[in-house]
Amino acid sequence: DGGITQSPKYLFRKEGQNVTLSCEQNLNHDAMYWYRQDPGQGLRLIYYSQIVNDFQKGDIAEGYSVSREKKESFPLTVTSAQKNPTAFYLCASSPYGQGGEDTQYFGPGTRLTVL
Amino acid sequence: SQQGEEDPQALSIQEGENATMNCSYKTSINNLQWYRQNSGRGLVHLILIRSNEREKHSGRLRVTLDTSKKSSSLLITASRAADTASYFCAPGGGATNKLIFGTGTLLAVQP
Repeated sequence: DGGITQSPKYLFRKEGQNVTLSCEQNLNHDAMYWYRQDPGQGLRLIYYSQIVNDFQKGDIAEGYSVSREKKESFPLTVTSAQKNPTAFYLCASSPYGQGGEDTQYFGPGTRLTVL
Repeated sequence: SQQGEEDPQALSIQEGENATMNCSYKTSINNLQWYRQNSGRGLVHLILIRSNEREKHSGRLRVTLDTSKKSSSLLITASRAADTASYFCAPGGGATNKLIFGTGTLLAVQP
C-alpha cells in the first residue's frame, strides 16, 4: 500500500513544549514538503526538501525545524518559539526529477492543538 | 512560483447541476494543477494542464487554460454530494517545484 503517512492524526501539547510531527513516504519521491493550514485558509509552505540531507525554508519557517536524513522521512519539529502553533499540518511529496511532473501527493494531515 | 487566486470563495449548488470555479494568476507558467480537499483531510491531485494545452478532461472534470488571460477554470459536470470539498489551483512548473496554494473555492453540493 503506497503513499504518505503522517502521525499522529491529533496531537495536543502544552505551551513551551517542542513536538515532532512524523511524515513518511514509500513512493520513492525525491522532494518532500510541509504546509500549515489555518481554518478557512489556504496552505502556507513551511519547509521543503528536494534531496536527502538538504532542505530550504518556505514562507513561514520561523519556529519550525526539519531534517531529511532518509529519503522516505521528513519530520517537522514545532518548537516553543512558534508563537501560534495550533493548526492543521500537511506533508506532501513529489517525484521531482522522475519525469519532470510537479504533482504533489499529500498525507492525511496532523491537527496540532496547543493547550 | 506564484499563488493562484480562486473565485468564487464559496459556491452552493444542487446535486446534478454543473459547478464552475475559476483561477487567476499573474506571471507565466509551465503548468497549472487543480487539487481537491475534503474537510479535515489532505489534498488530492485532480488534474494538471500544461501551458501548451487549452482544455483537458478527466471523467466529469473539464479544465481550461487561457494563458493570454492568465486564467483557468474547473468545471465539474453532473455534481454529486460527494463533490463537496474545497478546490485549489496551483500555478507551477518553476525550478524549485514550489507550489503556492490560494484560499480555494468551497463547493457545497446539496442533495
